[in-house]
Amino acid sequence: KAGVTQTPRYLIKTRGQQVTLSCSPISGHRSVSWYQQTPGQGLQFLFEYFSETQRNKGNFPGRFSGRQFSNSRSEMNVSTLELGDSALYLCASSLENQREQYFGPGTRLTVT
Amino acid sequence: DQQVKQNSPSLSVQEGRISILNCDYTNSMFDYFLWYKKYPAEGPTFLISISSIKDKNEDGRFTVFLNKSAKHLSLHIVPSQPGDSAVYFCAASPGFNAGNMLTFGGGTRLMVKP
Repeated sequence: KAGVTQTPRYLIKTRGQQVTLSCSPISGHRSVSWYQQTPGQGLQFLFEYFSETQRNKGNFPGRFSGRQFSNSRSEMNVSTLELGDSALYLCASSLENQREQYFGPGTRLTVT
Repeated sequence: DQQVKQNSPSLSVQEGRISILNCDYTNSMFDYFLWYKKYPAEGPTFLISISSIKDKNEDGRFTVFLNKSAKHLSLHIVPSQPGDSAVYFCAASPGFNAGNMLTFGGGTRLMVKP
């Protein structure tokens, strides 16, 4: 079975721009979660989607948003980028009612 | 406030010996705990998990112990191998009513010396 895939792997954006990151979960996994990893704050939960509905949201500003499609693929969007948004953005998927989440390789976003 | 803490930022162990990584949590709502291993520029890889109804779970060289009264869990790796060198994160999950979200500790860098 193919793992979680994320595109693009690397991205450089300018402050004020917006960005969209994509995630394809493991086949059959309907729950998709997003996390941000930074040196200062560590790994932090952004949001979780299940059956195209946001089930949970972490403590991030409204500039961070996401969605899930009917095939369980997910996208996250960050608008009005700030320097502090530079991070590794990780997507994880899991089966319904399963706690174990399986992570993709991440998208490294650099904001200049 | 940090709900999941890994107080040792790094640990160095000789190949073949036991590695013990520790994790403490404060939130009593957590009822499921997981350990992940992470290499640079890669996503975390799931290692082992434990439900709060158990106090031990074993999978090959990896064993996780949970002490609910102390709100403490540990990961034992026996025997340690150089390929185990990575950053290890513990993570905690609340009951499913709160959704499937993980709260991570800050990580412990394990170095296994040949």
